[in-house]
Amino acid sequence: AQSVSQHNHHVILSEAASLELGCNYSYGGTVNLFWYVQYPGQHLQLLLKYFSGDPLVKGIKGFEAEFIKSKFSFNLRKPSVQWSDTAEYFCAVTMNTGFQKLVFGTGTRLLVSP
Amino acid sequence: DTAVSQTPKYLVTQMGNDKSIKCEQNLGHDTMYWYKQDSKKFLKIMFSYNNKELIINETVPNRFSPKSPDKAHLNLHINSLELGDSAVYFCASSFLAGGPYEQYFGPGTRLTVT
Repeated sequence: AQSVSQHNHHVILSEAASLELGCNYSYGGTVNLFWYVQYPGQHLQLLLKYFSGDPLVKGIKGFEAEFIKSKFSFNLRKPSVQWSDTAEYFCAVTMNTGFQKLVFGTGTRLLVSP
Repeated sequence: DTAVSQTPKYLVTQMGNDKSIKCEQNLGHDTMYWYKQDSKKFLKIMFSYNNKELIINETVPNRFSPKSPDKAHLNLHINSLELGDSAVYFCASSFLAGGPYEQYFGPGTRLTVT
């Protein structure tokens, strides 16, 4: 069965530090890739998505991610984090076949200290 | 102009009771989903409906019964609640045909079973 791995469960950074969160998936076919963010007590919001084309995608709030097909990876990056980026980050995939079932990683809790 | 709304936001009940959670979307989407987020923040799909037809039915106890009266509404009824049902339940919606598409999430319903 398809799965998504997020290697960093907890990340603590100071403001202005750079961020990279890892995401790997296991599925040999064509996938659609997403990063969602969940701020404390709030619902999931889409940060960015990759369906096809340029493997470097830019999202909201200065986030970007790079799809590397050979590594089955879709890492999330931000050059300079802010205190307001404190949240839980979820990588997710859907397969191009099927009914768009989102398969989520276990999430990464990011804490940014001011 | 809430896109995906859920009621109630919080639900506290005793074991053995029956409860329902309601979801409505005003985005004109034809597909709706229920996800469960457990105490470790792990998100897993439960059900999906497309135009009132059940298309995804994951391994969920049959105490859980979704109902979609129309494509803008998806309800979740839970019979004989158990302690392990305590979680946050998220509704989501999207288009399906001609995709892929991103899914839009509701604010969640935090269910606590005592």
